[in-house]
Amino acid sequence: GENVEQHPSTLSVQEGDSAVIKCTYSDSASNYFPWYKQELGKGPQLIIDIRSNVGEKKDQRIAVTLNKTAKHFSLHITETQPEDSAVYFCAARNNNDMRFGAGTRLTVKP
Amino acid sequence: DTAVSQTPKYLVTQMGNDKSIKCEQNLGHDTMYWYKQDSKKFLKIMFSYNNKELIINETVPNRFSPKSPDKAHLNLHINSLELGDSAVYFCASSLLPGTRKNNEQFFGPGTRLTVL
Repeated sequence: GENVEQHPSTLSVQEGDSAVIKCTYSDSASNYFPWYKQELGKGPQLIIDIRSNVGEKKDQRIAVTLNKTAKHFSLHITETQPEDSAVYFCAARNNNDMRFGAGTRLTVKP
Repeated sequence: DTAVSQTPKYLVTQMGNDKSIKCEQNLGHDTMYWYKQDSKKFLKIMFSYNNKELIINETVPNRFSPKSPDKAHLNLHINSLELGDSAVYFCASSLLPGTRKNNEQFFGPGTRLTVL
């Protein structure tokens, strides 16, 4: 089955700096890669996703890149703000089977 | 509000008890899921139902039994609760199974289960 590795487990940045979270996956059949943000006491919320036929996608301050050959994808957050502080999860999905990374706790210091 | 809702939000119970967590979605989705999030925040899928039929059943103890009375509800019943069952359980739904476009999963707010 699919195995998703996520790094780093914790990340602390200064407000205004960029943050990058990286994930690798093992199943070459995975074709959908969402990123979720989980705030304290809440369920994960989708913030951006990318499909295997696309190499990069951007939505305002967040962007995701996908390298299918190397089987890795990354989340980039620019101009970070304190409200970006949360736990971020990557996931890889092949049809019905979606596997999550272990999560990255991002702290943005004002 | 259109959403995925779960009840209860918190559940504290003794070892050996039987408990249920309810999930409802009013998004008109056909597919629903249960995930377990442990103390290290790791999210792991437990079950997935599509239109009341089981399509994913990960290796979970058979003390866990999902029940889907209709496609808007997927309840989780747990028998003979153990200390290791303590976790946050999330329900989720998507329009369909699979990875079609516009088929994202929406998560409920979670149920924090504590077994004493």
